Amino acid sequence: AQKVTQAQTEISVVEKEDVTLDCVYETRDTTYYLFWYKQPPSGELVFLIRRNSFDEQNEISGRYSWNFQKSTSSFNFTITASQVVDSAVYFCALRGVPGANNLFFGTGTRLTVIP
Amino acid sequence: NAGVTQTPKFRVLKTGQSMTLLCAQDMNHEYMYWYRQDPGMGLRLIHYSVGEGTTAKGEVPDGYNVSRLKKQNFLLGLESAAPSQTSVYFCASSYSDPQDGGGVTEAFFGQGTRLTVV
Repeated sequence: AQKVTQAQTEISVVEKEDVTLDCVYETRDTTYYLFWYKQPPSGELVFLIRRNSFDEQNEISGRYSWNFQKSTSSFNFTITASQVVDSAVYFCALRGVPGANNLFFGTGTRLTVIP
Repeated sequence: NAGVTQTPKFRVLKTGQSMTLLCAQDMNHEYMYWYRQDPGMGLRLIHYSVGEGTTAKGEVPDGYNVSRLKKQNFLLGLESAAPSQTSVYFCASSYSDPQDGGGVTEAFFGQGTRLTVV
């Protein structure tokens, strides 16, 4: 069975603080993909990153970084020097292979950045 | 660059009424999906399609029907709306990436349709 757990329902930080959003997944597939999406107050879902299970390299994109650890089944997301525009709901998702139908989402973490 | 477009963006229905949500994508993606988003529950898959003329049930298919007569369009129908179908509906599309093992990769989402059934 596939499952994604985002234990943090809501997080509030003061602007310029760093914040890490946790994502823990469960899967029996040996090949799978992990994703992060951002849902700002306007409601659309914005794709942030895709990572396949064979690539455990950490990724950095500007203020965003992702830490993928297969040993702990985690794919955590860190925002450095947070900004008000980072306020959104963030979803972690998992897809197995072949995976046409099984993109499983966590319940999301609502991040509020206080100016 | 339209991407995935959903029509309409908002709708209010009375219990028992029917309606169709239209999703159109211009990225030539093989796969299309309908999700619903409810507070505290993330996104749940209603129906999906792996190609023109094919559809399949997802996690929460009851009360919905779909059709994919053209590759670029995926329609979601509610035959007899119920208050439990009040939700935000998202359409998405995705593709197989041969450069990444041929797996089905990220989903590209439309802007969502907020449906209220009273």
